[in-house]
Amino acid sequence: GAGVSQSPSNKVTEKGKDVELRCDPISGHTALYWYRQSLGQGLEFLIYFQGNSAPDKSGLPSDRFSAERTGGSVSTLTIQRTQQEDSAVYLCASSLVDALSYEQYFGPGTRLTVT
Amino acid sequence: AQRVTQPEKLLSVFKGAPVELKCNYSYSGSPELFWYVQYSRQRLQLLLRHISRESIKGFTADLNKGETSFHLKKPFAQEEDSAMYYCALGGGNFGNEKLTFGTGTRLTIIP
Repeated sequence: GAGVSQSPSNKVTEKGKDVELRCDPISGHTALYWYRQSLGQGLEFLIYFQGNSAPDKSGLPSDRFSAERTGGSVSTLTIQRTQQEDSAVYLCASSLVDALSYEQYFGPGTRLTVT
Repeated sequence: AQRVTQPEKLLSVFKGAPVELKCNYSYSGSPELFWYVQYSRQRLQLLLRHISRESIKGFTADLNKGETSFHLKKPFAQEEDSAMYYCALGGGNFGNEKLTFGTGTRLTIIP
């Protein structure tokens, strides 16, 4: 079946504009994760969804960042009033969540460049 | 707080030589540890998990709680092992809802 997909694959935006990044998880995966990979940094956890609710938003770097998930499927990460430091690759992953299913399946990422 | 340290950003090894990628962690509970790998132009994918104690593509990793380490090893490197390797520490109820990643090690196998 299809893996995790993300769109757009690349996004260039001007500082101050809002952007929306989309993630389509693997069908049936109840958990969805957003990470950010900045140049020279590891993957930084942003937010985690179980179904449509987000039990852990601790990684969102500021109140300019928000995310939602609808229908237990598609998720959108929104960055308002983008700043240059928001430039990064944003990765989405999905998984089942139980004691036996531990693998997170990653999408190809969205490369965001803020000019 | 959870923390993962991969001290080597770059590692070059000759083909056929042993490989060891270092990973140290900081976690107050019982850790769930993983190695993820990203080959050139491919997605990040799971390589192995400490609980399964599997050998994947010849790689193994042993959890050493005394040294808080989870080093990745392979006795004989192959050219196709060239990739970016990330050590990750799991948190949450099932140990995988929130992964804390290290900064990664880029492994290059010299032919």
